[in-house]
Amino acid sequence: DIQMTQSPSSLSASVGDRVTITCRASQNILNWLAWFQQKPGKAPKLLIFKASTLESGVPSRFSGSGSGTEFTLTISSLQPDDFATYYCQQYKDLWAFGQGTKVEIK
Amino acid sequence: EVQLLESGGGLVRPGGALRLSCAASGFPFPNYAMSWVRQTPGKGLEWVSTISGNGRSTYYADSVKGRFTISRDNSNNTLFLQTDNLRAEDTATYYCSTVSGTNWGQGTLVAVSS
Repeated sequence: DIQMTQSPSSLSASVGDRVTITCRASQNILNWLAWFQQKPGKAPKLLIFKASTLESGVPSRFSGSGSGTEFTLTISSLQPDDFATYYCQQYKDLWAFGQGTKVEIK
Repeated sequence: EVQLLESGGGLVRPGGALRLSCAASGFPFPNYAMSWVRQTPGKGLEWVSTISGNGRSTYYADSVKGRFTISRDNSNNTLFLQTDNLRAEDTATYYCSTVSGTNWGQGTLVAVSS
């Protein structure tokens, strides 16, 4: 089974900050990686698929990069609506999620 | 507009069973593989099961294999998850999703407790 490891598990940041979240896969998943945002009591929302392709309607301040086993999600300028938990997900071999990164207000 | 609406959750004793449903609308349901994902209270997301569009291929997480059964009724645009021999650790909100991850339901809560 493919394991996904995110870091950090949580971070505190201010509006306007640049935020980077890292996701590592236990084996090569090429670019079969997605990023989701989840707010309390809500379903996950797809932000990025194929490691770097922005889902329709997602603000351009979100970007993804990486391939193989190392991936990053970057928020170029954090906005109030971005405080949430973010998950990476591999879909090369069924599905597996990272443990999540909670982005909190500093 | 794409809609996924889960139902069937509730409180059940250990060893009990529930049948979760996910009613789909707004897209050609038979053309889409579908998945169930669960989230333990306060914890992360866990993939549970996936079914192909025609229902012939099914996949399960090791944690539920042999206890849960995914199925679908393409004539009624509905996805199911039969959950048998439930354990306390199965307590979670269960979401249905298109396999692309683009569309999710609002979730249904399953609580397993004596």
